Amino acid sequence: AQSVTQLGSHVSVSEGALVLLRCNYSSSVPPYLFWYVQYPNQGLQLLLKYTTGATLVKGINGFEAEFKKSETSFHLTKPSAHMSDAAEYFCAVSDRNTGFQKLVFGTGTRLLVSP
Amino acid sequence: GAGVSQSPRYKVAKRGQDVALRCDPISGHVSLFWYQQALGQGPEFLTYFQNEAQLDKSGLPSDRFFAERPEGSVSTLKIQRTQQEDSAVYLCASKLAGGSGNMGTDTQYFGPGTRLTVL
Repeated sequence: AQSVTQLGSHVSVSEGALVLLRCNYSSSVPPYLFWYVQYPNQGLQLLLKYTTGATLVKGINGFEAEFKKSETSFHLTKPSAHMSDAAEYFCAVSDRNTGFQKLVFGTGTRLLVSP
Repeated sequence: GAGVSQSPRYKVAKRGQDVALRCDPISGHVSLFWYQQALGQGPEFLTYFQNEAQLDKSGLPSDRFFAERPEGSVSTLKIQRTQQEDSAVYLCASKLAGGSGNMGTDTQYFGPGTRLTVL
């Protein structure tokens, strides 16, 4: 069965600092991997996704993530944090076993950005 | 509309009441998903439709939960005899394509959710 582990329920950074949010997945077949962001009282917005091809994926708002099969990881990074990046971030996986339909999410990481 | 819409945005129910949550997907989207997000948790899959067919309902927590999409567009999630543990945000998402394999690369677009509080 698929699963996603997000280390750190809260991550605090200063404005301008590097953002690193960790995601490890478990899947018996090649996965599709996603990062979503959720602002208060809003739905989930896709930041980026990996399906096939290049393992370094660039998304919106300056975020990127790298799929590392050997480490079963898909960590999210941003070189310089902005105050507007403060939100909840979710990593998710889907794979062929479920027809690439349902998403399995991690428990989320809340990013706090201080001035 | 431009995005997925859900109504109501907030619902308060007394324990034992029935509730109905509505989802309007993006026009033309074939696939529709329901997820449940408990406080402080990630969303958990409930059920999935391709057009009007409910292809996967493995995530529905009990037979009190029922979902339908009779005309392949709007969907309703119904919860009968609500319990306090049903309190959560219910998220709906839609996707342009159905099927599997490469079609799975289509993005799921989420609505704002319905926050259900059962007293």
